[in-house]
Amino acid sequence: GQQLNQSPQSMFIQEGEDVSMNCTSSSIFNTWLWYKQEPGEGPVLLIALYKAGELTSNGRLTAQFGITRKDSFLNISASIPSDVGIYFCAGRVKGGSQGNLIFGKGTKLSVKP
Amino acid sequence: NAGVMQNPRHLVRRRGQEARLRCSPMKGHSHVYWYRQLPEEGLKFMVYLQKENIIDESGMPKERFSAEFPKEGPSILRIQQVVRGDSAAYFCASSPVTGAVTFLSGNTIYFGEGSWLTVV
Repeated sequence: GQQLNQSPQSMFIQEGEDVSMNCTSSSIFNTWLWYKQEPGEGPVLLIALYKAGELTSNGRLTAQFGITRKDSFLNISASIPSDVGIYFCAGRVKGGSQGNLIFGKGTKLSVKP
Repeated sequence: NAGVMQNPRHLVRRRGQEARLRCSPMKGHSHVYWYRQLPEEGLKFMVYLQKENIIDESGMPKERFSAEFPKEGPSILRIQQVVRGDSAAYFCASSPVTGAVTFLSGNTIYFGEGSWLTVV
């Protein structure tokens, strides 16, 4: 089936550092979503991207929909301890049903105060 | 996450028993989705339902699993004769009605807090 390659798998950073993670796919996606999940909780939507080349910010978070439509990245600037969690990219393959999101395996972020 | 309600949050079942997981979508949302998450993995799509209709069940195991979203009441994911491999977190999500005008914003999917199934 479809797969998303998300990297890195995990990151250990110092508070105040910037973070970058990305997802790539072999298929064309028409939607990219970035979620954050904390232990014992469901994924929380951070940023949604719907057009190739789109660059969207949400506070300290910035995400872009790659122009090839096969990749996306998420940047977090000036990280703080509460950024800790697992970040998932998710995408909807062109022609796929509305609810059928493909998820990456996640990037586990640890922030040292 | 606010608004998509799942229960129970935690469920323990013995092998061979049935598990029923319930999901009430956000107010105004008529599309419901079920996903499964194994430990250390991303979420995997199972099924997409609208009221009284299954739209896409391409991710549902062929046996023992079923889902419904009746005209009244919550969506139910039912797992019959559970096995240890069914132990996972099951997430429900919902979205508003989609259409030409609302296509972009309507594509956003919001998740509940999950139901953790443990089969012993």
